[in-house]
Amino acid sequence: NAGVTQTPKFQVLKTGQSMTLQCAQDMNHNSMYWYRQDPGMGLRLIYYSASEGTTDKGEVPNGYNVSRLNKREFSLRLESAAPSQTSVYFCASSDGATNNYGYTFGSGTRLTVV
Amino acid sequence: AQSVAQPEDQVNVAEGNPLTVKCTYSVSGNPYLFWYVQYPNRGLQFLLKYITGDNLVKGSYGFEAEFNKSQTSFHLKKPSALVSDSALYFCAVRDADSSYKLIFGSGTRLLVRP
Repeated sequence: NAGVTQTPKFQVLKTGQSMTLQCAQDMNHNSMYWYRQDPGMGLRLIYYSASEGTTDKGEVPNGYNVSRLNKREFSLRLESAAPSQTSVYFCASSDGATNNYGYTFGSGTRLTVV
Repeated sequence: AQSVAQPEDQVNVAEGNPLTVKCTYSVSGNPYLFWYVQYPNRGLQFLLKYITGDNLVKGSYGFEAEFNKSQTSFHLKKPSALVSDSALYFCAVRDADSSYKLIFGSGTRLLVRP
């Protein structure tokens, strides 16, 4: 039972480079989310996908794009990385509108932009 | 506005002593409340939730939480702390405006000293 799988686990980018963070879940969850975690700021929602085929902006969407490729996969793209995007990124999934069971989180991607 | 507050950045407790990590919330309607734990270099793990029913909720690893509607609080407790409980703890509430989303507190670091 893999749950939520994120790749890569670590990445170093130069300013201006692009990359895509991958996320896949095997729990047949409808909703998926991307968060960033910074010291002293808790978790901030970047984008979410309430269901397959839909995506919506969260609290801090600037500089990011997402794709809900299918029900299992939800990717996060940085088109032109900036040092301010240095963070730990978490993907999560949930059973959707009921959300009775909260989220299941991936193990995170630690991104450094130099 | 809906929100979750964790008033303590850090809680220190001696092993074997009881611990409390505080959480207060502000949300319209009936709250769906959650606690998550994050160990170093790991994703967040679900501890327990309150949806309805008994105000005292029991969860994983011997943790419990008490829902208090009049004080709008959902404090996390454990009767006897272990060194291995040292971690970052997040309180969360389901967003009443968008039930797909959870609103997270800023986190409280728990340090249990031997």
